[in-house]
Amino acid sequence: GENVEQHPSTLSVQEGDSAVIKCTYSDSASNYFPWYKQELGKRPQLIIDIRSNVGEKKDQRIAVTLNKTAKHFSLHITETQPEDSAVYFCAASIGGATNKLIFGTGTLLAVQP
Amino acid sequence: SAVISQKPSRDICQRGTSLTIQCQVDSQVTMMFWYRQQPGQSLTLIATANQGSEATYESGFVIDKFPISRPNLTFSTLTVSNMSPEDSSIYLCSAGGGQTYGYTFGSGTRLTVV
Repeated sequence: GENVEQHPSTLSVQEGDSAVIKCTYSDSASNYFPWYKQELGKRPQLIIDIRSNVGEKKDQRIAVTLNKTAKHFSLHITETQPEDSAVYFCAASIGGATNKLIFGTGTLLAVQP
Repeated sequence: SAVISQKPSRDICQRGTSLTIQCQVDSQVTMMFWYRQQPGQSLTLIATANQGSEATYESGFVIDKFPISRPNLTFSTLTVSNMSPEDSSIYLCSAGGGQTYGYTFGSGTRLTVV
């Protein structure tokens, strides 16, 4: 079945460094790739997304890149801050009328002050 | 993006009973989705709810255990039936999928079955 792999499962960086989280997907028909940030005890929050007709998208300190040929997409966070510490999930839409999302396994990001 | 109100936020239930979770969206949405999230784990899709038709369930989830209603374009309910301790989890609804906005989530329902 369709799946999304996410790496690494945990990531620790120093404040001010960059963080990169990578995902791969299996369904070649996937055309929408969102990233969510989930703080402890809270709902997942959409932080950035990209559609398949675009290779890169940036919003201030965060960016997402997409390689459709390789079925890879990545989240890049620059100038990390302690408040970036959270669990990050990637997701990919599964083709068809419902466009449901399949989620990666998550990355626990810890930004050390 | 759509704003979703979900309730209850938490509940402790006796095994063998049922709990119905409600989600209200502040705008009309075609699709709503129900997820389960075990502590420290990812989100697992239970089913997709389309207004006016029966929900579509993912492998491992069945309608008798998780009946879903979708009476209109702004509301959905998920019932967890005949609960056992293994059903203890966080349940989240989600809505979206249009071309102009992404998928947002309700605040979640933390269910404990004793």
